Amino acid sequence: GENVEQHPSTLSVQEGDSAVIKCTYSDSASNYFPWYKQELGKRPQLIIDIRSNVGEKKDQRIAVTLNKTAKHFSLHITETQPEDSAVYFCAASQGTSGTYKYIFGTGTRLKVLA
Amino acid sequence: GAVVSQHPSRVICKSGTSVKIECRSLDFQATTMFWYRQFPKQSLMLMATSNEGSKATYEQGVEKDKFLINHASLTLSTLTVTSAHPEDSSFYICSARVGSGANVLTFGAGSRLTV
Repeated sequence: GENVEQHPSTLSVQEGDSAVIKCTYSDSASNYFPWYKQELGKRPQLIIDIRSNVGEKKDQRIAVTLNKTAKHFSLHITETQPEDSAVYFCAASQGTSGTYKYIFGTGTRLKVLA
Repeated sequence: GAVVSQHPSRVICKSGTSVKIECRSLDFQATTMFWYRQFPKQSLMLMATSNEGSKATYEQGVEKDKFLINHASLTLSTLTVTSAHPEDSSFYICSARVGSGANVLTFGAGSRLTV
């Protein structure tokens, strides 16, 4: 089955700097890659996603890149702010049999230092 | 937007008792819901896929007799932790796929179980 690895597990950056989180996946059939942000004690919230037919997607300060050949995708946050501090999870999903099962990475705890 | 309501948010029970957690999709129908378990500072581990009107599909290593899932309607899935023991203490989160043909998952607020 699918296996998703995520690095780093923790990341501290100064406010205003950029943060990059990387994930790799194992199943070449995976075709949808969302990123979720989870603040302490709250539910995960989708922040950006990318499908396998696209190499890059951007939404204001957040961008995601996908390299299908290498089976890895990355989250880029620019001009980080203290409110970006949270745990970020990547996931890989495939639509086979209509299941759209998500397999999550191990998470990255991002701390933005003011 | 689409909302998934999950109850209870917190539950404390004695060892050996059963606990039911409800997951409801508000304003949309969810033929498929997913149940995850999250240990402190760890990732979301998929436990099972709940299918409306049919049996749930469990991930490898998840005891189906321990974690009973029922998806009796298009808006409600329940997870029952039977004969709970301290090792079952965890954060359980449900999610539902929003929109036909779409992959986007929206999550419930989670239920923290303490046995």
